[in-house]
Amino acid sequence: ETVLTQSPATLSLSPGERATLSCRASQSVNNLAWYQQKPGQAPRLLIYDASNRAAGVPARFSGSGSGTDFTLTISSLEPEDLAVYYCQQRTNWPPGFTFGPGTRVDIK
Amino acid sequence: QVQLRESGPGLVKPSETLSLTCTVSGDSITSYYWSWLRQSPGKGLEWIAYIYYSGFINYNPSLKSRVTISVDTSKSQVSLNLRSVTAADTAVYYCARTINVVRFDPWGQGTLVTVSS
Repeated sequence: ETVLTQSPATLSLSPGERATLSCRASQSVNNLAWYQQKPGQAPRLLIYDASNRAAGVPARFSGSGSGTDFTLTISSLEPEDLAVYYCQQRTNWPPGFTFGPGTRVDIK
Repeated sequence: QVQLRESGPGLVKPSETLSLTCTVSGDSITSYYWSWLRQSPGKGLEWIAYIYYSGFINYNPSLKSRVTISVDTSKSQVSLNLRSVTAADTAVYYCARTINVVRFDPWGQGTLVTVSS
């Protein structure tokens, strides 16, 4: 089973700063997605296939990476970016989906 | 735009069956796969099952023995039954449209289910 590991667990930055979130897989992954979950809300798709922004997602969010190492970058933090960010993969065997444990982004 | 709304009891007794319904509006339920997921403090986000309107189904192996997912195209609803629940099944349950069987977009608002006597 492929395991997703996210780092750091928590990131505390000021508005305008750059946030770099990491997602590492124990085996090579295709179709990696990133989600944003704001307090009290459901997760929202941000990035799919590692680097494609979902509809309506601001340009300050970008994804990169391939194989086992992926990165979500927020180029200039806004106060509304306070959230937990999860990566997610589809697994071929057993067939299904798994999520990383999340990175919490706090705004100073 | 598509909207998903979960509904069902917020409290279920241990050993009983948890039953939830997801009502889909703004999109055809026959055009996509639909999933149930859950989120608990102890286990994070967990995918439970997905279904296609034709009846193609896939379950999380860790829950497969207790879960049934079904679809009612006439009502645009996807349902979840989880049998023999314990406190470990306490979670917020979400339904989500499953794009290309690789990602979830959008998600419903979620419904909290507590398992307690």
